[in-house]
Order: sequence, then C-alpha cells, then structure tokens
Amino acid sequence: DGGITQSPKYLFRKEGQNVTLSCEQNLNHDAMYWYRQDPGQGLRLIYYSQIVNDFQKGDIAEGYSVSREKKESFPLTVTSAQKNPTAFYLCASTGGAGETQYFGPGTRLLVL
Amino acid sequence: AQSVTQLGSHVSVSEGALVLLRCNYSSSVPPYLFWYVQYPNQGLQLLLKYTSAATLVKGINGFEAEFKKSETSFHLTKPSAHMSDAAEYFCAVSDSGGGADGLTFGKGTHLIIQP
Repeated sequence: DGGITQSPKYLFRKEGQNVTLSCEQNLNHDAMYWYRQDPGQGLRLIYYSQIVNDFQKGDIAEGYSVSREKKESFPLTVTSAQKNPTAFYLCASTGGAGETQYFGPGTRLLVL
Repeated sequence: AQSVTQLGSHVSVSEGALVLLRCNYSSSVPPYLFWYVQYPNQGLQLLLKYTSAATLVKGINGFEAEFKKSETSFHLTKPSAHMSDAAEYFCAVSDSGGGADGLTFGKGTHLIIQP
C-alpha cells in the first residue's frame, strides 16, 4: 500500500539535545512538507521541498533543519535552538500543483 | 498573504442533526480550498477540495461544501450527523497552484456529537 510513514510515534528530547523525526513516502511524490500542530493553533508550515536537494523555509523554520537527499525521504531535525519543541509534527506530500496533500500519522515530541 | 478563519473552536450537534462548520478565507488570487478531518492522535484525511471546477463540492462520508466567492466562504455541511463524525476539522487554503508551497490552515473546529 502506498502512503507516508513517520517514526517514531513518540519522541522524547532532553534539554540541549537535537532530535530527528523521520518521514518516508512511497507515493512517488515530488513535494514534501513538515507542519507543526499545537492545541488550538491549527497546523503551521515549518519547511517544504518541491524537489530533491532543494527546500524552502515555511512560516516557523527557526530552530529546525531539514534535508532532501532522496525523493522518498524528508527528515526533520529539531535543534536545541528550538526552545518550545513540544508539539505534534505532521509530514505531508503531494504530486504537484492542484494535487491533494496526503499526511502521515504524525510524531508527538515531548521534552523531558 | 492568505489566511483562514474558522468560526467556533467547538461545535456541538445532536446525532441526526445538521452539521455546519464555518470557514472564511482571504486570498489575493482565486484559491484552492480544502477540508480535512483529524481523529485523535492521527494524521489528517482529506474530506474534499475546491479547485474551481464546481462551486458545490461533494466529499467523503456524506460531507459537502459550497464555495461562495462573494462571501469568501467555504462552509462544510452534512445533513445528518453520526457519532463517528466526532473529530477535529480543518479548513485550508492555497493560492499557489493547489498547495505546492504548502497550505495555510485555520485553527480547527472540534465537532462534538451528542447522543
């Protein structure tokens, strides 16, 4: 079955630690996205990539970094510079303009 | 800049009653509009999308939405609520070719179904 997988489902971060969230898709989609969801805030765009080896900042990119070395993969690193990382992180992908964005099941990041 | 306003963070209806979730948008160009549903601790699932083909859009699970340019609205309706409709609903907009640069989401409406 085609889809988007995110791992882990839950992730715990210690103070000053960088952590990486995984996102993999087998939909052969060119574009991939990372959103952050906080209660009552909706989803906000962190980074997106429309093609391999290229990505752009979204609305709340500070404290985050990404890479896009393969079409199927778009990992997100939450750096120690992100002072309020506790949130639900959602990865999405789309085949192109006018196409639907499909979402993964999400990763919940908690701070110890 | 585009934006989305969802009126009512929580909406409560009785089982079998009409569901109406409100969404107003602002966009400098003809928009693409989406409604997504989210169940607890899960990702988002597309209910329906407007891409200028027809103003009344039918989606999954009996939901539909009507695009009204004069009112800049895209309200979601369902004639008869079911207990399984209890979830969080998000309206989203894109004016860049249907989301190629990412979607702008409203803050969500939590739909509560009373037995």
